[in-house]
Amino acid sequence: KAGVTQTPRYLIKTRGQQVTLSCSPISGHRSVSWYQQTPGQGLQFLFEYFSETQRNKGNFPGRFSGRQFSNSRSEMNVSTLELGDSALYLCASSLVAESYNEQFFGPGTRLTVL
Amino acid sequence: KNEVEQSPQNLTAQEGEFITINCSYSVGISALHWLQQHPGGGIVSLFMLSSGKKKHGRLIATINIQEKHSSLHITASHPRDSAVYICAAPLPQGGKLIFGQGTELSVKP
Repeated sequence: KAGVTQTPRYLIKTRGQQVTLSCSPISGHRSVSWYQQTPGQGLQFLFEYFSETQRNKGNFPGRFSGRQFSNSRSEMNVSTLELGDSALYLCASSLVAESYNEQFFGPGTRLTVL
Repeated sequence: KNEVEQSPQNLTAQEGEFITINCSYSVGISALHWLQQHPGGGIVSLFMLSSGKKKHGRLIATINIQEKHSSLHITASHPRDSAVYICAAPLPQGGKLIFGQGTELSVKP
């Protein structure tokens, strides 16, 4: 069974631009969570989707948004990019949304904002 | 105070040594995750446990729910174990993980 895939793997943008990242979960998994990892803040939760509905959202500004499609694939969008948005963005999928479910992480998208 | 705290933050060991990484949490959880992140970023889930002990190869994870404490042990450590180890606690309402700061482990040959 294929693992979680994320595209693109690397991305360079300039301030003010917007970016869309994609995550394809493991086949059959319906829950997708997004995380941001920076050297200063570590790993932080962005949002979680289950069956096309956002279930939880972390403490990030409205410039960060996401959605989930009927096939469970998810996208996250960051508008009006700032230098501080440079980070590794990870998505993780799990079979269902309950907290006791193991999460499987993708390889991440490394975003650099210049 | 972070809701999930790990110690130590950095650890250097000689090949073959027994290693322990500790994780304490203040939130009410139903399970705790141990994750491994190698240079380059990819994260691998090592364990998810809600009670007792789990073992996989040279890795052992234990948890004491009452004391809100978990440990990750590596027996007969090897340079390929060099990575960042992260514990994470999911909130009861689902999905969201709260992460520890990570422990950067370096195993020297």
